[in-house]
Amino acid sequence: DGGITQSPKYLFRKEGQNVTLSCEQNLNHDAMYWYRQDPGQGLRLIYYSQIVNDFQKGDIAEGYSVSREKKESFPLTVTSAQKNPTAFYLCASSEGQGVGEQYFGPGTRLTVT
Amino acid sequence: GENVEQHPSTLSVQEGDSAVIKCTYSDSASNYFPWYKQELGKRPQLIIDIRSNVGEKKDQRIAVTLNKTAKHFSLHITETQPEDSAVYFCAATLIWGQNFVFGPGTRLSVLP
Repeated sequence: DGGITQSPKYLFRKEGQNVTLSCEQNLNHDAMYWYRQDPGQGLRLIYYSQIVNDFQKGDIAEGYSVSREKKESFPLTVTSAQKNPTAFYLCASSEGQGVGEQYFGPGTRLTVT
Repeated sequence: GENVEQHPSTLSVQEGDSAVIKCTYSDSASNYFPWYKQELGKRPQLIIDIRSNVGEKKDQRIAVTLNKTAKHFSLHITETQPEDSAVYFCAATLIWGQNFVFGPGTRLSVLP
């Protein structure tokens, strides 16, 4: 299960608090992605980054923010502006944007009460 | 933009039978179609993919077929086993420069 890691596996927060999810990869991949997965639904793209210091909004970016200061790291912050933050969050990486296989991390299950 | 539909949403088969999952896509420019398997509580993993210059690809019990004219592609699993039980996602994209668009997933249950 090496290559791309996410921490923590489970995260609990009170409503109104910002929370940051970690994603690290040692695959030397240029592109990284954040997806949200809700029960019975597919993977919806939140943000993606093709290179360091650059990132783009995906389909559901409202209420989320990211940074890409290092090639290996792509943390996601779920802000208090996200109306329904409880979900399973998956990070992924690939050699380049849209190129070849996306390797997924193990995911973080966030519960906000 | 690209839109991917996937059917059925749930599928139950008897062990040893075949399973077929179908996806349709909207952007005729898409030319790369991967399939991911996600077991309960685990990360999605690529099981097979196909590029638009190929009509069919097979890997042991798994095969994928592509019909570019009709803009649909299908996953075929033969001789199903209990360990095939999982959620399967299809996706479509251009190979260069665009992100994957995933289908909503199919929950496959293989009954012993």
